[in-house]
Amino acid sequence: EDQVTQSPEALRLQEGESSSLNCSYTVSGLRGLFWYRQDPGKGPEFLFTLYSAGEEKEKERLKATLTKKESFLHITAPKPEDSATYLCAVHPGRRALTFGSGTRLQVQP
Amino acid sequence: NAGVTQTPKFRVLKTGQSMTLLCAQDMNHEYMYWYRQDPGMGLRLIHYSVGEGTTAKGEVPDGYNVSRLKKQNFLLGLESAAPSQTSVYFCASRLGKGPTVETQYFGPGTRLLVL
Repeated sequence: EDQVTQSPEALRLQEGESSSLNCSYTVSGLRGLFWYRQDPGKGPEFLFTLYSAGEEKEKERLKATLTKKESFLHITAPKPEDSATYLCAVHPGRRALTFGSGTRLQVQP
Repeated sequence: NAGVTQTPKFRVLKTGQSMTLLCAQDMNHEYMYWYRQDPGMGLRLIHYSVGEGTTAKGEVPDGYNVSRLKKQNFLLGLESAAPSQTSVYFCASRLGKGPTVETQYFGPGTRLLVL
């Protein structure tokens, strides 16, 4: 059975304090790993897609990396506006995503 | 482009009542999905469609029905609502063409409370 586990469940950072979120997965035939950001009361917003181990993608203060067992979302010098829930999902070759339960990030000024 | 839109935004139902949630997309996407999101459980797939006139069951389909009569619309029905169906419902769509898996784009969600 496909599984996605995200850690930590919640993370509180001071502004400028860099950290990483983890997404470990067990899936047969990974066709893509996705990172989304979700603000309270809103739908998930796409951040990155990673297709193969060793791949990295960056956007502003965020950088996503992928290995054969896990993905990391690195947040460099975060700002309060980076506060959100970050969701990881895998596409295992069937027709839909399998999501983790997310990491709630709070960045304090 | 409006992207993916959902109506209504919020609804309160009594146990046993029925309702239909509407999802519309203007991106000419083939694939459409309905998820529910509950605290601590992430997003779970209810039903999905790979094209007009097709539907398939996801992870948690019981108590729901769907229809895709037009390519741009995907309807989720609750025939007899139960308190366990209190949740936030998200619709998503993706292009569905080509060899790689494209991004799924999500709507803003419908918050449903069943009393």
